[in-house]
Amino acid sequence: DSGVTQTPKHLITATGQRVTLRCSPRSGDLSVYWYQQSLDQGLQFLIQYYNGEERAKGNILERFSAQQFPDLHSELNLSSLELGDSALYFCASSVEGSGGAGETQYFGPGTRLLVL
Amino acid sequence: DAKTTQPTSMDCAEGRAANLPCNHSTISGNEYVYWYRQIHSQGPQYIIHGLKNNETNEMASLIITEDRKSSTLILPHATLRDTAVYYCIVSSYTGTASKLTFGTGTRLQVTL
Repeated sequence: DSGVTQTPKHLITATGQRVTLRCSPRSGDLSVYWYQQSLDQGLQFLIQYYNGEERAKGNILERFSAQQFPDLHSELNLSSLELGDSALYFCASSVEGSGGAGETQYFGPGTRLLVL
Repeated sequence: DAKTTQPTSMDCAEGRAANLPCNHSTISGNEYVYWYRQIHSQGPQYIIHGLKNNETNEMASLIITEDRKSSTLILPHATLRDTAVYYCIVSSYTGTASKLTFGTGTRLQVTL
């Protein structure tokens, strides 16, 4: 158990819909990361937040957005869903998110999204 | 981001040491080598990381060559539960942000 929690574990929805994935970081961690893992793309970095502010963006679509709240939990919002958005979505957390001194990211169990 | 090259798959007999190689010839001086593994579709599990020196923890050992262009993850006594995809990653950070760039990894199959 990494200490990172994600809800829900599974999500089934239809094309065109909008969903929200939730992540709670490890106690004391200020930085949250979102990754997407699809069959044909592997694990891809989407976005990073640190203490409520966006720090880095990866291959995140404009239909996707994220935020980190004052209690440090984070939500990933996926809208106008397409079949190709079906994937595993992982959240990770680290203490600061600066990467210095070999800062480790710890991953949650993921949310499996199926778009029908 | 420094890229890594790993064998697609490897087999190991249970109880034997599993040695997983990784090439990262374009690694920069301040970039760390990380190893994660993913069992089935679970979240990636952190194993170990290092900068220059060899590292050991309760899960594994990490051997980094002197020129830092390659490394080897060693699972000293592999068990069936070590069957997973192992990712060698060179982390990149800007001083204010960091990210992990996952490749395709090595699928390790531990057999009886």
